[in-house]
Amino acid sequence: GEDVEQSLFLSVREGDSSVINCTYTDSSSTYLYWYKQEPGAGLQLLTYIFSNMDMKQDQRLTVLLNKKDKHLSLRIADTQTGDSAIYFCAESFNDYKLSFGAGTTVTVRA
Amino acid sequence: KAGVTQTPRYLIKTRGQQVTLSCSPISGHRSVSWYQQTPGQGLQFLFEYFSETQRNKGNFPGRFSGRQFSNSRSEMNVSTLELGDSALYLCASSADGSSYEQYFGPGTRLTVT
Repeated sequence: GEDVEQSLFLSVREGDSSVINCTYTDSSSTYLYWYKQEPGAGLQLLTYIFSNMDMKQDQRLTVLLNKKDKHLSLRIADTQTGDSAIYFCAESFNDYKLSFGAGTTVTVRA
Repeated sequence: KAGVTQTPRYLIKTRGQQVTLSCSPISGHRSVSWYQQTPGQGLQFLFEYFSETQRNKGNFPGRFSGRQFSNSRSEMNVSTLELGDSALYLCASSADGSSYEQYFGPGTRLTVT
């Protein structure tokens, strides 16, 4: 089955770390992704992780994957106002189709 | 390199009409996927084209159709529009259909009245 779940909202203070969590149900997922959507814009691919990896770091972004618990997280270090957006977790099975979570709205407060 | 472009960006149609949306992928990309984004259903996969062939299709009625041209540009058509078709339609391109690098366009905002 295809079911990706995320918490809907996250509020974080500027300069703090943000952690966005996601759970998925299909253990055959090949890749797991994080996308960012700003108001009125399309989706921006932030990072992705292959299912045989545990962690991936890219500048301020750290992705952690726990395959046993089917849990994916995105940590944003030193969160800035420009990080305010909706963040989508997604998984793929056959490399042609992405299944998305509902999105987590991140609000960065001064 | 130019990104994925979608035209038009905004569209208002009346129930019962049909609409065609266009997507131009990143130069050299041969795969185009379409997604519908609504507040209620979130992001849902419509279909994917690679080298002019539909390779995968989501769970949408036959009113939703698409095609891809030899230059990889893709069009999506919705016939007999319903109010529930109001959505942001996003297309994404990738080089060979491997979804680990799908780049999205800005979307077409369709409003059906």
